[in-house]
Amino acid sequence: DAKTTQPNSMESNEEEPVHLPCNHSTISGTDYIHWYRQLPSQGPEYVIHGLTSNVNNRMASLAIAEDRKSSTLILHRATLRDAAVYYCILRTNAGGTSYGKLTFGQGTILTVHP
Amino acid sequence: GAGVSQSPSNKVTEKGKDVELRCDPISGHTALYWYRQSLGQGLEFLIYFQGNSAPDKSGLPSDRFSAERTGGSVSTLTIQRTQQEDSAVYLCASSFIGGENTEAFFGQGTRLTVV
Repeated sequence: DAKTTQPNSMESNEEEPVHLPCNHSTISGTDYIHWYRQLPSQGPEYVIHGLTSNVNNRMASLAIAEDRKSSTLILHRATLRDAAVYYCILRTNAGGTSYGKLTFGQGTILTVHP
Repeated sequence: GAGVSQSPSNKVTEKGKDVELRCDPISGHTALYWYRQSLGQGLEFLIYFQGNSAPDKSGLPSDRFSAERTGGSVSTLTIQRTQQEDSAVYLCASSFIGGENTEAFFGQGTRLTVV
C-alpha cells in the first residue's frame, strides 16, 4: 500500500484557516487522495477526496500538488468542532487485491483554540 | 437503514469466550471494511470485502479472528477464545468501489471488553 506522511499534531485558533499537509511521494497514477477525520468518541467521517485537480466541498478544500506527491487539506475557518484527528489516505482505483482498500495511518491531531 | 449499523454497541465477555460482531452496511455498497481501535490508538485495518470475498485478510491479528460476508450485505466478525488484548472498539465501514462516489461510511462501532 502506498504510504502517506503527516505531522503528528497541529494547532490553530478559532476562525483562522488551517492547512493540513500530507506527503505521498510513492503515489501511483490510479491512487485517489482521500481525507477522513475522527472526532472524539466517534467513528471516522469522510471529508474530501481528489485525483489531480483541486477540490472544494462544504467542509473543506483539497489542494493537490502538480506532481501529486503531496496534498493539503484546507479548513477555511476552523471552529472548535473541527478539533479531530485528520487522516490522509491513498485509495487505489485499479483492480487487484488492494482495489478500494482504505488503510489509515496515525493522522494529524488538530487542536483548535478558542 | 440510512447508515452503517453495528451490533451490539457494547459487549462485555469473559476471557476465553467466543464473540460475534455484526455489521449491516449501506444497501448496495460492495466494499465492507473492519477495523479495530484500541484506546488512544489509530485505526488498525483488519479485513475488507469486495462483495462476498475478502481479497485482503492481512490485518487479522491471529487465527482466532475470522470474518464472513453473505449476500453481499451483512458481515460478521468472529473472535474465538477472546483475550484481554482483544478489548477495543471494532469499527465497520462500507462504500461503493470505483467511480467518483467512493466515500466510506462508518458505523458507531462495537466496544468489546474482555474481562
